[in-house]
Amino acid sequence: DARVTQTPRHKVTEMGQEVTMRCQPILGHNTVFWYRQTMMQGLELLAYFRNRAPLDDSGMPKDRFSAEMPDATLATLKIQPSEPRDSAVYFCASGSLRDSPLHFGNGTRLTVT
Amino acid sequence: QKEVEQNSGPLSVPEGAIASLNCTYSDRGSQSFFWYRQYSGKSPELIMFIYSNGDKEDGRFTAQLNKASQYVSLLIRDSQPSDSATYLCAVKVGGGADGLTFGKGTHLIIQP
Repeated sequence: DARVTQTPRHKVTEMGQEVTMRCQPILGHNTVFWYRQTMMQGLELLAYFRNRAPLDDSGMPKDRFSAEMPDATLATLKIQPSEPRDSAVYFCASGSLRDSPLHFGNGTRLTVT
Repeated sequence: QKEVEQNSGPLSVPEGAIASLNCTYSDRGSQSFFWYRQYSGKSPELIMFIYSNGDKEDGRFTAQLNKASQYVSLLIRDSQPSDSATYLCAVKVGGGADGLTFGKGTHLIIQP
């Protein structure tokens, strides 16, 4: 059963530290999305890639967040420096042109103290 | 600004009854519509998608789309306690795998 894999599942860090979250999309999916979920805002799209090229990162705070896709099997989301307001669950999802629905990973629950 | 609106609930429905979940969207260019279910502490999982006006049935689930009125709904027949979850409505503008815009979800509680 193909699935999106995210690591780590949980991360607790202190304000000012760098945080890196990783995602392995479903094999064959050419589009990767990063979402952030909080109680107040719900699911927000941060950035997405197609064929490893960044297409839209307008939802992402540019000064501290960065997203990359060094190869087809790995996407990363970095926060530097992290702040308490970044505490949320970060989901990675992948999709393909043929299979329109998105498939979500299990998420990384980030707590910044 | 694309917006997707849902009643946050909680919506309480007796076991065996029909649960009706509603969603409205602001962008008339929206072409694809999705319902995801999310259990507490878990990731969203796809239940159904619908592209054309009318009804689409899959087991106990029926999605309904009315593009003229800009609303989409999800009916759950013979509701079970295991259906208790948050239901997220999502829309996408255009074809291909572009980002979905999600509503904040409706919390559904099925009472045994």
